[in-house]
Amino acid sequence: DAGVIQSPRHEVTEMGQEVTLRCKPISGHDYLFWYRQTMMRGLELLIYFNNNVPIDDSGMPEDRFSAKMPNASFSTLKIQPSEPRDSAVYFCASRSGGINTEAFFGQGTRLTVV
Amino acid sequence: GENVEQHPSTLSVQEGDSAVIKCTYSDSASNYFPWYKQELGKGPQLIIDIRSNVGEKKDQRIAVTLNKTAKHFSLHITETQPEDSAVYFCAAIPTDSWGKLQFGAGTQVVVTP
Repeated sequence: DAGVIQSPRHEVTEMGQEVTLRCKPISGHDYLFWYRQTMMRGLELLIYFNNNVPIDDSGMPEDRFSAKMPNASFSTLKIQPSEPRDSAVYFCASRSGGINTEAFFGQGTRLTVV
Repeated sequence: GENVEQHPSTLSVQEGDSAVIKCTYSDSASNYFPWYKQELGKGPQLIIDIRSNVGEKKDQRIAVTLNKTAKHFSLHITETQPEDSAVYFCAAIPTDSWGKLQFGAGTQVVVTP
């Protein structure tokens, strides 16, 4: 397996524009996590899914953020409209169904909103 | 929910010395404690984990200890090498949390030659 695949790797956009980040989890994994990493706030959990169903979205900062998982092999994180303070590295991770199993992270998407 | 605190935020050690990172957690139902290492430009990667029925686990130069009574666990790196330089994250996962993986604030470890 190629691991967790995120796209794009880098995204530069203007304030007010819509941004969509994509993630392909490892095949067979039941859980998918979206994180945001900044120097100030560290690695924040935004939302996570189990079997394509959102379980906890309490980390989503505002209504401008939304996440979907239409099927087991694809998830998106959308920011609309984007703001400069959304600039960060966004990671997607997946793991299999057991609670005590390793989570595998993608390479991340570095988002810059100007 | 679970609240994990991690110390120190930065740690500078001389090559060959040991490094220790400590985490405390709040939820007594937590029973799984993984440690992740993040190298520059990459996503975090699991390096070791421990479950609540074990007090200590070792893997070559890395060891983790768990004190459930005091609700703290620690990562120990012995004979540090330059490639150990990275950010390290701890997490504590309760059995009833659906496996919610939420990390501590991270520790930047710098190993100087």
